[in-house]
Amino acid sequence: LAKTTQPISMDSYEGQEVNITCSHNNIATNDYITWYQQFPSQGPRFIIQGYKTKVTNEVASLFIPADRKSSTLSLPRVSLSDTAVYYCLVGPTGTASKLTFGTGTRLQVTL
Amino acid sequence: DAGITQSPRHKVTETGTPVTLRCHQTENHRYMYWYRQDPGHGLRLIHYSYGVKDTDKGEVSDGYSVSRSKTEDFLLTLESATSSQTSVYFCAVERSAGGGNEQFFGPGTRLTVL
Repeated sequence: LAKTTQPISMDSYEGQEVNITCSHNNIATNDYITWYQQFPSQGPRFIIQGYKTKVTNEVASLFIPADRKSSTLSLPRVSLSDTAVYYCLVGPTGTASKLTFGTGTRLQVTL
Repeated sequence: DAGITQSPRHKVTETGTPVTLRCHQTENHRYMYWYRQDPGHGLRLIHYSYGVKDTDKGEVSDGYSVSRSKTEDFLLTLESATSSQTSVYFCAVERSAGGGNEQFFGPGTRLTVL
C-alpha cells in the first residue's frame, strides 16, 4: 500500500482558502486518492475521492497532477466549523480496502 | 450515516475480562471494518470482513477476534482485555461511489480497561 505524507497541522483564518497537500510517491496504477474529515468524538467522514486531474464537489476540490505522486485538497473559504483533522488515503478500491489513515493534518480555523 | 450503529457506546471493564463490541448496519454492505483510534496514532485497522464468515487481519489484530455470521452484524471481541486496549473503536462499512469506494463510519465505542 502507498505510504502517504501530509503536514501534521495547519492554521487558517476564516474566509481563506486552505490547501492541504499529500505526498504518495509509490502510488500504484489502480490506487484511488481519498480524503476524510474527522471532528472530535466522531468517526471520519468521506469528503472527496479522485483518480486523476481534478474533482470537485459541494465541499472541496481535489487536484491530482499527471504523475499522481501527490494530491491537494482545497477547501474554499473555510469557516470555524472546518476545524478538524483531515486524512489522505491512497489505495485500491473494489475490494476490501486495507487503507492506512495515519495521523492526518489538524486544521485549526480562527477568526 | 449509512445506517451504522455501534453498541455499547461507552464501556468500562477490568483487565482480564472478555468484551464484545457490536457493529450493526442496515444497508447490506459487503465490506465492514473495525478500527481503533488512539492519540498520536490516527486510526489503525484491526480486522475487516469481505462477507459473511469471511474476515481477515489488519495491522493491529493481536488480542482481538471478529465474527460475522450475518451481513448486518460484525462483532469485535477482546478475549481478555488489557489496559493497552483502552481506546475508541470505530466500525465502518464500504460502498461503491462513482468508480471508487468510500467508507462510512459509526459513532464509535469508547472502551476503558482498568
